[in-house]
Amino acid sequence: DQQVKQNSPSLSVQEGRISILNCDYTNSMFDYFLWYKKYPAEGPTFLISISSIKDKNEDGRFTVFLNKSAKHLSLHIVPSQPGDSAVYFCAAGVSHTGGFKTIFGAGTRLFVKA
Amino acid sequence: IAGITQAPTSQILAAGRRMTLRCTQDMRHNAMYWYRQDLGLGLRLIHYSNTAGTTGKGEVPDGYSVSRANTDDFPLTLASAVPSQTSVYFCASSANLGINEQFFGPGTRLTVL
Repeated sequence: DQQVKQNSPSLSVQEGRISILNCDYTNSMFDYFLWYKKYPAEGPTFLISISSIKDKNEDGRFTVFLNKSAKHLSLHIVPSQPGDSAVYFCAAGVSHTGGFKTIFGAGTRLFVKA
Repeated sequence: IAGITQAPTSQILAAGRRMTLRCTQDMRHNAMYWYRQDLGLGLRLIHYSNTAGTTGKGEVPDGYSVSRANTDDFPLTLASAVPSQTSVYFCASSANLGINEQFFGPGTRLTVL
């Protein structure tokens, strides 16, 4: 059973418009969330994160929103650019006795059309 | 340039053979990780290391082993490869074990026939 779900395998958006990537999680113990971006033939790179004590974090064109009651977070990209075309992974982290665990979603492939 | 390197870039391997995937980081990070990426399943943690000399099991550790003899290197070994281990393998590191940004290597594409 996947604890972190990205239900949309792909998303297509016109350049200049908003891209919204969604992520749902099941474990209420998750207290930190991250988004990673991955281009083909490269490793994922960190994009933005949010702690469970916040409901929004913004970095330039990227904003992450967290709705703890719904166990849902989303990544907004405004305006979308062709270079944003990549696979985006949502990840959730929880600290537990004896270690740490990060769970990744399956990813959403974003296509930004020029 | 600081970062993580992985070798080989890709490998085709006969089932039953032993294979070691190499990973080296030069950021002096304490924590290191091995993930496999499979279509529709995202990134799944195989093993991790909190610091040199210590390792731990992740979500899918069976069939894999790791060692952490020093801070920089974190090799992943498949003792007897099976076709289900066909995947893209990513090594990553972070400053410490915890909720930190992880830095990923470019990946190793492994095919087991």
